[in-house]
Amino acid sequence: EAGVAQSPRYKIIEKRQSVAFWCNPISGHATLYWYQQILGQGPKLLIQFQNNGVVDDSQLPKDRFSAERLKGVDSTLKIQPAKLEDSAVYLCASSSRVGMGTDTQYFGPGTRLTVL
Amino acid sequence: GDSVTQMEGPVTLSEEAFLTINCTYTATGYPSLFWYVQYPGEGLQLLLKATKADDKGSNKGFEATYRKETTSFHLEKGSVQVSDSAVYFCALNQGGKLIFGQGTELSVKP
Repeated sequence: EAGVAQSPRYKIIEKRQSVAFWCNPISGHATLYWYQQILGQGPKLLIQFQNNGVVDDSQLPKDRFSAERLKGVDSTLKIQPAKLEDSAVYLCASSSRVGMGTDTQYFGPGTRLTVL
Repeated sequence: GDSVTQMEGPVTLSEEAFLTINCTYTATGYPSLFWYVQYPGEGLQLLLKATKADDKGSNKGFEATYRKETTSFHLEKGSVQVSDSAVYFCALNQGGKLIFGQGTELSVKP
């Protein structure tokens, strides 16, 4: 079974530029998550999708971050405009069931963003 | 709000030493508890989990027991190997949302 795929793996941009990340979850997984992991910290949830609807985006800085999950499969996360403090690894994860605390989330390799 | 606290790293051990990484949590209700591991250059992988009080999760020689009375989920391994060098994250899951600790870096020397 293929894992969670993410691209690109690395991205370097200058502040005020825009950037987009792509995620393809494990086939059949209903729930998709985007996390931000700043160096030296644990991942922090940005947004959670159930199929193609948003379940939780309370931690997403909506003035600059946006995300969508078309057709309940792939997802993109966009930052526009980027700030220096957005430098982090952006992780995508998926799980098979909806809102189940016992369910395992499977993570992709992440995209490392550097904002100069 | 819910939170997870881990012991600070880095932790440096010799091969075959005993490992304990402390993890305590604060949560309403009864979350599930997880340990994830991040090897150098790789993504997060589930190491083990426990879904209710007194459950013991185990995998690859690692163990952790869900202790509701002390709100803890300490990770242990009897004999570490160089290949166990990684960053370990404790996390709780409340209704589908994972909340992570800050991570503990483990370095095992031959």
